[in-house]
Order: sequence, then C-alpha cells, then structure tokens
Amino acid sequence: AQSVAQPEDQVNVAEGNPLTVKCTYSVSGNPYLFWYVQYPNRGLQFLLKYITGDNLVKGSYGFEAEFNKSQTSFHLKKPSALVSDSALYFCAVRDSSGGYNKLIFGAGTRLAVHP
Amino acid sequence: DGGITQSPKYLFRKEGQNVTLSCEQNLNHDAMYWYRQDPGQGLRLIYYSQIVNDFQKGDIAEGYSVSREKKESFPLTVTSAQKNPTAFYLCASAGQRGETQYFGPGTRLLVL
Repeated sequence: AQSVAQPEDQVNVAEGNPLTVKCTYSVSGNPYLFWYVQYPNRGLQFLLKYITGDNLVKGSYGFEAEFNKSQTSFHLKKPSALVSDSALYFCAVRDSSGGYNKLIFGAGTRLAVHP
Repeated sequence: DGGITQSPKYLFRKEGQNVTLSCEQNLNHDAMYWYRQDPGQGLRLIYYSQIVNDFQKGDIAEGYSVSREKKESFPLTVTSAQKNPTAFYLCASAGQRGETQYFGPGTRLLVL
C-alpha cells in the first residue's frame, strides 16, 4: 500500500534561515509526490509535485522539493524563510490502485517561522 | 481555492438531523473528492467520484452519502448515523489524469 510519513509534527525556524520539512514515502512503482500548504481555516493550496524528470522541483512562493529515490524522500525546502510561511504543510502520494486516482496524505507538519 | 466553492462556510447540525454540504467546481474537472480533517490531524478520504453518476467509498464513508448528478457538483450529506460529525470538510477536484487535486475553502461542521 502507498503511504507517506512526515516525521516532524512541528518545525521551528528563524526568519531568513533556510527551512526543510521532511517527507518519506513508500510506494509500489514510480511515485507521484505532492506538497500542499494550509493556512488556518482555509483549504489546501498546491505547492509543487514530482512525477518524473529533475530531482529538484520548483514550486510556488519560492519553495522547492528534492526527490531522492534511494532514500525514498521528498523533502520540502526554501532558502530563506518568511514569517508568512508559517502554516501546516502536507506531503501526499498518488494511489492509483483499482483504476482510481487518489491522494494519500501525511499527517502534516506545522511550520513556525519566528521573527 | 479558485474555481472550487464550498458552502456554507459554517454549518450547525442538531442531533438526529441530516445536513448537506455543497461543493461546486468550474474547472471542468472529471474527478471530485471529499475529505474530513480533524484538529491536529491529516486528511481522511470520505468519498470520491471519477465521473458523473459514479462514486466510490473512501476510508471513512460510514455515516455519509454523496451524489454526482452533474460534472460540476458533488454534494456531501452527513447523516444522523454519523455520531461524531464535528470536523472541517474539504472538497477537491482533479483533471482527467487525476494528478493534482485542487481544494475548496472548506466547511466547518459543528454540532449543537
């Protein structure tokens, strides 16, 4: 079965410092991986995805993610964090078993960026 | 959130009452999904639909029902059988290849 794990409930970082939010996955076949962000009382916003190609994927708001097949990881990164980046981040993997496309989400990581 | 609307933003349910959450999309997407989010937790899939007049149960379908009579609409009914309905409900849609899901703003359901 497909699954993703976000090992950190919360990540704290100072404004201006680089940030990393971790995600590991377990899939059969080639992984389709996604990152979403959720602000309080809002829906999820799509940040970026990896399907194939370059291992470094660039997305919205200056975020990028690095796909590492040998470590089965897809960590989200940003070179310089902003206070406005503080939110809940979800990693997800596509599950296409049974002929239907679904997303399996991790439990989420809360990012807190301090001034 | 653009292209997917959910209403109402807040919904109050009395015990024993069925309530319906609306989800509409104008993205011409084939697939639509309903998720439940509880405080401090991730998203759990309730129901999903790949095409009109077809839908599948997700991981936590008990106590919920859906219909897909139109491509742009996928309403969710929370029935009286759902004993713990208080949660944030999110609707999403995806294009034909079903890769990227786009989410609505959510409906918060509270029990009186």
